[in-house]
This record gives sequence, structure tokens and C-alpha cells, in this order.
Amino acid sequence: QVQLVQSGADVKKPGASVRVSCKTSGYTFTGYYIHWVRQAPGQGLEWVGWVNPNNGATDYAQKFEGRVTMTRDTSINTAYMEMTSLTSADTAVYYCARGVVMAFDSWAQGTQVTVS
Amino acid sequence: QSALTQPPSASGSLGQSVTISCTGTSSDIGRYNYVCWYQQYPGKAPKLIIYEVTKRPSGVPDRFSGSKSGNTASLTISGLQAEDEADYYCTSYAVTYSWLFGGGTKLTVL
Repeated sequence: QVQLVQSGADVKKPGASVRVSCKTSGYTFTGYYIHWVRQAPGQGLEWVGWVNPNNGATDYAQKFEGRVTMTRDTSINTAYMEMTSLTSADTAVYYCARGVVMAFDSWAQGTQVTVS
Repeated sequence: QSALTQPPSASGSLGQSVTISCTGTSSDIGRYNYVCWYQQYPGKAPKLIIYEVTKRPSGVPDRFSGSKSGNTASLTISGLQAEDEADYYCTSYAVTYSWLFGGGTKLTVL
């Protein structure tokens, strides 16, 4: 079955960077985009961007341009999201999700990133 | 402020129906049939329940249905059950090549 599993919780100082991994299994990794979505405490969902595992192409929400980088390693079916220059406003649960027909059909468990 | 507008809360009695609205613009909901709805329980990842406005993924009960009129999409849950109590989020693809989310609606089943 389709599975996405993320790396564990992380605590960072303001100004630092964080990298979150998303390991996939149960499907052809290069056949589907991986999207990243975040959720600040008690808040709604916010789309961060996507990476195409087939060719490494990316697209980011304008809000995060210049501060986020999404990559992938096809040898281990894993996608990554790195965010730099962290502030307290970046404290959130970060999710990766598989993209299918403009929808996010399978989600990982989420990674709590705390900036403090 | 979220890009799509949802009511912060909604409620309905067991067995009744409830409809949650999601209002966007002609640049997102009104332009594309790429509206999705997600159900999220506290502390859990969201789950896709509606895609392409009206379609249900395999395993989602047919009590859940979606529709769209102009710039507003709607999620209707009929025959409310206790386990439907959750947060619901709409999302739409937009002309800016991005995905917009609504602020979420907390559904209470009375």
C-alpha cells in the first residue's frame, strides 16, 4: 500500500535551517509529484510547494520563494524539503503528500518543526 | 487571512445533513474544477474525501458529496455520524500555479 513516512520532530534556533525527509513506498516514486503542506499551531493548512521526483522540477508558493528548496533522491524513493532563515512563524507541522490529479491523495504523518 | 473562505464552525444532529461552503474567486474555484475537500482529526494528517469537485476516492462513504456553483464550492455530509466530527478543509488550484486552502471548518455532531 502507498506509504509516506517523514523524519522526526526538530527544534531549531531562529535563523537556522531545517531539512525534513519524506520516504515513500508502495508505488512508483517517479510517477507522482510530492507536495509539502504546513499547519501552524491551531491554524489551517498552507501549501508550500511541490517537487517532481521524475526530473527534480520544483514550484514553490510565492511566500516561500528563496527560502525553501525541495529535492529528491530516486535511489531511496525519498523527497526532502529544506527551509532556511527560520523564524517563530515557521513553527508548524510540515506534511508531505502525494499529488494525484491536482489532489493530495496520501499523506505522511507530519513533522513538528519548532523554532525557538 | 486564508485565500478561500470557509465558515469557522458548523453543526448538525446525528442522522441529519450539513453543508459547508468554500468561497473563492474567478481565479481559483470559479476557473478550475480542481476543488478538493480534506477531513482532519486532531493530531492527525488530513485525508482526501472529495477531489475534482464531486469525485470520491475509493473507500469514502457516499454520504460525502461535493458541488460547485460559480466561485463557491460546497461539501455536503448526509446522515451525519459521530465519527464525522472533525475539521474540514477545502482547497483549489489557482491561476498562480498554486494551491489555495480554506481556513477550515470545525464540524460538531450534536
